[in-house]
Amino acid sequence: DTGVSQNPRHKITKRGQNVTFRCDPISEHNRLYWYRQTLGQGPEFLTYFQNEAQLEKSRLLSDRFSAERPKGSFSTLEIQRTEQGDSAMYLCASSLLLSRETQYFGPGTRLLVL
Amino acid sequence: KQEVTQIPAALSVPEGENLVLNCSFTDSAIYNLQWFRQDPGKGLTSLLLIQSSQREQTSGRLNASLDKSSGRSTLYIAASQPGDSATYLCAGVNAGNMLTFGGGTRLMVKP
Repeated sequence: DTGVSQNPRHKITKRGQNVTFRCDPISEHNRLYWYRQTLGQGPEFLTYFQNEAQLEKSRLLSDRFSAERPKGSFSTLEIQRTEQGDSAMYLCASSLLLSRETQYFGPGTRLLVL
Repeated sequence: KQEVTQIPAALSVPEGENLVLNCSFTDSAIYNLQWFRQDPGKGLTSLLLIQSSQREQTSGRLNASLDKSSGRSTLYIAASQPGDSATYLCAGVNAGNMLTFGGGTRLMVKP
């Protein structure tokens, strides 16, 4: 499978716990994006990387959220001290560094905070 | 700040009908507009990407148009099938290749 993969697919946690999600982009893609989608809404941009550099972060990304892409390949998104409002689908996408190239999305990680 | 709106929010049609989904955006400086399909609980599948210099793109039974001056895009689905049932999302692409999504149109095609 050469598409974008995300792990885990589902995560249930208790409020206050930390969680970490992983995204593996398409191998030759150097741009990687994180989005969050709540029920019945369209996805909202969180942050993106070009290679290992995190170039932009949304105001949605509070200080409890941190994302890394240490070697310019896979990325992790960590949420510390989870809150019930963090419950959502977290989507990862990747694209080539060409002008406005199509983004390819992974299947998402669905987080439920109890 | 780009805002994207999709109308209608939900649509139910009998199989075989042709249908149009609407998308409007506030910032005409978008570079591209992209249409996606999302099945329940799944990720997004890219359907069509219209670059700012283009006015439409076609793929099979799908045709998407873009009018930057009026801030509108439409997705036309011909001869709808039950397998087309899904949520359809449009997204404006800005200079940094970041997507701003609409809320989606939930389509149900009845056999």
